[in-house]
Amino acid sequence: QVQLQESGPGLVKPSGTLSLTCAVSGGSISSSNWWSWVRQPPGKGLEWIGEIYDTGTTNYNPSLKSRVTILVDKSKNQFSLKLSSVTAADTAVYYCARKPSGTYSIDYWGQGTLVTVSS
Amino acid sequence: DIQMTQSPSSLSASVGDRVTITCRASQGISNYLAWFQQKPGKAPKSLIYRVSSLQSGVPSRFSGSASGTDFTLTIISLQPEDFATYYCQQYSSYPITFGQGTRLEMK
Repeated sequence: QVQLQESGPGLVKPSGTLSLTCAVSGGSISSSNWWSWVRQPPGKGLEWIGEIYDTGTTNYNPSLKSRVTILVDKSKNQFSLKLSSVTAADTAVYYCARKPSGTYSIDYWGQGTLVTVSS
Repeated sequence: DIQMTQSPSSLSASVGDRVTITCRASQGISNYLAWFQQKPGKAPKSLIYRVSSLQSGVPSRFSGSASGTDFTLTIISLQPEDFATYYCQQYSSYPITFGQGTRLEMK
């Protein structure tokens, strides 16, 4: 059973950089999967941020692309999200997730972590 | 970007009812359509991928179908644990996009 667990600061100052890590257990990050980030502002819907393959290939949401970096660390079986120049609009619950390659959609999700942008 | 429009935004139903939620794509997405269920304070749960394939462990009372760019999630014989918000998602092209959600409430 694959499990994903997000971790990182719950509070980030405006103009700072949001940094989160997703630890993968119960399976290797070097399998045929895309590793994704999705966020949800309080009381609102889901927004896809981007994804990374274990080769390092990435796809980003154009609305965030200039501020987003997703990296994979095979040695630690984890992947990470960095979002720079944050504002209050980036306050959200951030989820990491797994999407198998091919015609499959996301199958496993992390529990999510709330990140608040505030001074 | 491909826009995904769900209807209704909310609906009320009773245990045992059959409910249908619709999702319309702004352009063709082939069969790259997924459905997710989310309960308050919880992560989404993956229900269906590729229009109609159930994720492992999802009860058979959930089903999905398609007609052109219109996609449908049907739940037959609603159970108490099914009251939640449902989201569709297209993963045919980037950026991956979600519908705005449909809140299923108990009548």
